[in-house]
Amino acid sequence: QQPVQSPQAVILREGEDAVINCSSSKALYSVHWYRQKHGEAPVFLMILLKGGEQKGHEKISASFNEKKQQSSLYLTASQLSYSGTYFCGTSGPGGKLIFGQGTELSVKP
Amino acid sequence: EAGVTQFPSHSVIEKGQTVTLRCDPISGHDNLYWYRRVMGKEIKFLLHFVKESKQDESGMPNNRFLAERTGGTYSTLKVQPAELEDSGVYFCASSQALGGGYSETQYFGPGTRLLVL
Repeated sequence: QQPVQSPQAVILREGEDAVINCSSSKALYSVHWYRQKHGEAPVFLMILLKGGEQKGHEKISASFNEKKQQSSLYLTASQLSYSGTYFCGTSGPGGKLIFGQGTELSVKP
Repeated sequence: EAGVTQFPSHSVIEKGQTVTLRCDPISGHDNLYWYRRVMGKEIKFLLHFVKESKQDESGMPNNRFLAERTGGTYSTLKVQPAELEDSGVYFCASSQALGGGYSETQYFGPGTRLLVL
């Protein structure tokens, strides 16, 4: 079952914050976050493995609420380099990733 | 350490032709995955190798797609004959631990952009 991301797209000014949500109708064992810039490889951001877990990476952090079967990615004080499409993925059997439809983030000067 | 590499970066072919995509995973990574992204949609799983064995090919669209992984190293994905709906970006990803698992990080290659005319 494909996770659902929201919003589908967001436009920010430099320095603004954004939240991207990822929810699933099935139990989540892990959530993987990636960012893909146009024409490039999806770049791994972080994995959250346990309910209640939070992780941070510079000004990008994420939380995982196992009970609600959802994860949120927080982008703080956005920079131009944050632009791209953000995907959340959940792990299926064998480790295959099942991705959400993506959230297109544009950061303007 | 070199990342995942894919060849070619772009391919434009006509309907009915054959195309072979290649993926070289990170050295030492036993798991190799193929994914595809059709324009504007999500990245979809195609199949998973553990070393040279196909672990899961549940995402392969049909029997026009054939994947191999020679000696547990590089992998090829052949589309024969190609159809218009095969157009998209084909990504390869690899991860380290044997058997994969929900906690393993997958590292993606830059993709092959396939356009079928």
